[in-house]
Amino acid sequence: ETGVTQTPRHLVMGMTNKKSLKCEQHLGHNAMYWYKQSAKKPLELMFVYNFKEQTENNSVPSRFSPECPNSSHLFLHLHTLQPEDSALYLCASSQDHMRGWAGELFFGEGSRLTVL
Amino acid sequence: QKEVEQNSGPLSVPEGAIASLNCTYSDRGSQSFFWYRQYSGKSPELIMFIYSNGDKEDGRFTAQLNKASQYVSLLIRDSQPSDSATYLCAVNEAGGTSYGKLTFGQGTILTVHP
Repeated sequence: ETGVTQTPRHLVMGMTNKKSLKCEQHLGHNAMYWYKQSAKKPLELMFVYNFKEQTENNSVPSRFSPECPNSSHLFLHLHTLQPEDSALYLCASSQDHMRGWAGELFFGEGSRLTVL
Repeated sequence: QKEVEQNSGPLSVPEGAIASLNCTYSDRGSQSFFWYRQYSGKSPELIMFIYSNGDKEDGRFTAQLNKASQYVSLLIRDSQPSDSATYLCAVNEAGGTSYGKLTFGQGTILTVHP
């Protein structure tokens, strides 16, 4: 496998459900990210992990809980979501900044989430 | 609040024409600027980045940066129907110390018609 893979690609859940999104990167990168993409809105950064440590939490509600067990895997645990949380959730990875990161984020195909 | 503004379009150009995509940003200290392309139903992919004032060319693509005007643009020469996509402008925070903390614009939809 190559690149950044996300599962599931589509998810429908009720407001009381608990589900998780999974992301895996095969690029040897050290940084991983969760972005939210809603219709007619800019991409919103949610979380950043660098060498498994969370370096950014962009004021995301606690109903979204990230987990990064190692530099290759990233999860987004979802609990008690609201209908307005329906969006495309994109995972991305990049080289760490020390190696001259050039802003090249490699994105997965995304997980399309619908909250009923 | 840092902002990146783009005209959402759609921008429609005929095949073979030059497509001009524009972006302005609010943080005067921003240091690096990126253009991502996103096909419908696909994830964004980086096509150009620019750090210095002036032009940077890569094939049919030219990125232009004017830091004094806080303006960055992307020109696509000899536009092809395969260039039809949403083009996202992204700006790195000043200082460049944040890992991947890009601020994105909402994107411009480009349609190239035969």
